[in-house]
Amino acid sequence: GQNIDQPTEMTATEGAIVQINCTYQTSGFNGLFWYQQHAGEAPTFLSYNVLDGLEEKGRFSSFLSRSKGYSYLLLKELQMKDSASYLCAVSPTRNSGNTPLVFGKGTRLSVIA
Amino acid sequence: KAGVTQTPRYLIKTRGQQVTLSCSPISGHRSVSWYQQTPGQGLQFLFEYFSETQRNKGNFPGRFSGRQFSNSRSEMNVSTLELGDSALYLCASSLGTPGNTIYFGEGSWLTVV
Repeated sequence: GQNIDQPTEMTATEGAIVQINCTYQTSGFNGLFWYQQHAGEAPTFLSYNVLDGLEEKGRFSSFLSRSKGYSYLLLKELQMKDSASYLCAVSPTRNSGNTPLVFGKGTRLSVIA
Repeated sequence: KAGVTQTPRYLIKTRGQQVTLSCSPISGHRSVSWYQQTPGQGLQFLFEYFSETQRNKGNFPGRFSGRQFSNSRSEMNVSTLELGDSALYLCASSLGTPGNTIYFGEGSWLTVV
């Protein structure tokens, strides 16, 4: 089966660094995505990892270890506007071709002053 | 270029009625996926259409159906609405090959009373 786990909620202080972890067990692997979703809005794409290692994009970085089925999203210099849900999603594979992304339930991050 | 467009944004329906939601994907994207999002369940995959054919289907009852037109626009229909169908319905488009990023529309908020 497909399973993605991430913490339900996290709280961090403005200006700090926070790491949101995601572990996955899927049939095959075509990459891992992180999305940000503000309350009442649609998810927006943040990052994509398909090879092991760290991908940096401004204040956000995403790490992947395929052998461990593990990823994290690192947010630096937190701002109040970073308060949102962060969704981890994996693109699995199957013999018959493209399969839909499997999403975790999301981590609700609250940034406090 | 224009993003994914969903209509209507908000709607209220009565139990037993049916509803049709519309989605226009990003130009050039041939894959359209539909997701249901509720606070307790997170993002649940409904189905995916590619070149007018349903390519993947989630675990939802037959009351949930969809279709895709030759211009890649898609509609989803829910018949005999139940209170539990109240949710945010998200449409996402992509190029349609494994590992492609999916981009979400703003969603349609459905309330069933």
